[in-house]
Amino acid sequence: QSVLTQPPSVSAAPGQKVTISCSGSSSNIGNNYVSWYQQLPGTAPKLLIYENNKRPSGIPDRFSGSKSGTSATLGITGLQTGDEADYYCGTWDSSLSALWVFGGGTKLTVL
Amino acid sequence: EVQLVESGGGLVKPGGSLRLSCAASGFTFSSYSMNWVRQAPGKGLEWVSSISSSSSYIYYADSVKGRFTISRDNAKNSLYLQMNSLRAEDTAVYYCATSYSYGLMSAAFDIWGQGTMVTVSS
Repeated sequence: QSVLTQPPSVSAAPGQKVTISCSGSSSNIGNNYVSWYQQLPGTAPKLLIYENNKRPSGIPDRFSGSKSGTSATLGITGLQTGDEADYYCGTWDSSLSALWVFGGGTKLTVL
Repeated sequence: EVQLVESGGGLVKPGGSLRLSCAASGFTFSSYSMNWVRQAPGKGLEWVSSISSSSSYIYYADSVKGRFTISRDNAKNSLYLQMNSLRAEDTAVYYCATSYSYGLMSAAFDIWGQGTMVTVSS
């Protein structure tokens, strides 16, 4: 049971747009920046979004992030088959049980 | 090139021990906090432990507290994870990761190693 809640899966057709939600609480998302990661099969996670809505160099502007209150959202437009991957949100947590928390992950299928 | 390379994974019996290493290169290792994150087969990411640049601050997930010990040797540009009293549920790929480009408070791990597999089974 992950501290941050993500939908297990989302799907959309090539060229379409998809959003992935990440829900937390005041001890994590509510008071900290959120980051998003893409994990292709058999590879290490790759940073997609940092500080809620900033993209590292090399990440296309098809990927966007936003945060409101205790929830965050990853948006992907112009879907490509190469976007099929698992996506995770992550942030600090001020609770006593964990310093860092991740969402359970969302499997994106590009139909 | 900024790089992290893990090693030390393998097959170990329940109750056994294993020491993972993470070799850093391409950046001033001693200036950065370091982290271990694991991923059980078919499961999501789980933060395991973090250590500050000078080892002054160390944190563990509840699931490994008292069994795992994180440490670092800044002279050798290396991060370690000593894992004792291993359980089947510790089976996972273990990644080392750091917030290199954006600072600690950005809450973003932008550099990850390739991971090393730990299997706990009799």
